[in-house]
Amino acid sequence: DTGVSQNPRHKITKRGQNVTFRCDPISEHNRLYWYRQTLGQGPEFLTYFQNEAQLEKSRLLSDRFSAERPKGSFSTLEIQRTEQGDSAMYLCASSLAYRSYNEQFFGPGTRLTVL
Amino acid sequence: AQKITQTQPGMFVQEKEAVTLDCTYDTSDPSYGLFWYKQPSSGEMIFLIYQGSYDQQNATEGRYSLNFQKARKSANLVISASQLGDSAMYFCAMREGRGGSNYKLTFGKGTLLTVNP
Repeated sequence: DTGVSQNPRHKITKRGQNVTFRCDPISEHNRLYWYRQTLGQGPEFLTYFQNEAQLEKSRLLSDRFSAERPKGSFSTLEIQRTEQGDSAMYLCASSLAYRSYNEQFFGPGTRLTVL
Repeated sequence: AQKITQTQPGMFVQEKEAVTLDCTYDTSDPSYGLFWYKQPSSGEMIFLIYQGSYDQQNATEGRYSLNFQKARKSANLVISASQLGDSAMYFCAMREGRGGSNYKLTFGKGTLLTVNP
């Protein structure tokens, strides 16, 4: 059972550039989540997929953010025209729907630094 | 109002002693779940323990137990026999609604636990 993987682990970019992160969930998991964690805070929910359908987006996810999950497998999170306020750890998690308590398994995160 | 409150920014404990990390929550949904996660310096969130709102008994998982006081809306994590490897950030989180139909977790700000030798 390989866990959730995320790439890259670290990304440094200049303000105004576009960045894309990838998340590979645990293979049989049909739910996938993105969270953002800033320094000194707990993770905050960004968006959620069940299979390939994006079912909810947080108001934190501005128009510059887009997430996809083609074919219900891996997911990408793209940030366009990055701003310094986008600097954070981006966490991906997956879970299996209809497990008794829907435990979410997290990946190691992608740490984004916007200069 | 904060949905999850962790009032202890940092805690210290001696190796082999027990420690309690506090968590209070706020919800009007009768069905909810409470989770504790550990986040070492490497960044990965590690699931520790779960308590459902309808569970009659407090959850236990090895050295971890959850002191669930529903009327007080508290879900404190107890770590027995602390080990040096327990040093990490600990987050309390809540999922409102039943697990099959709901999904997102709301996290507290965390407690940094340091275990001293």
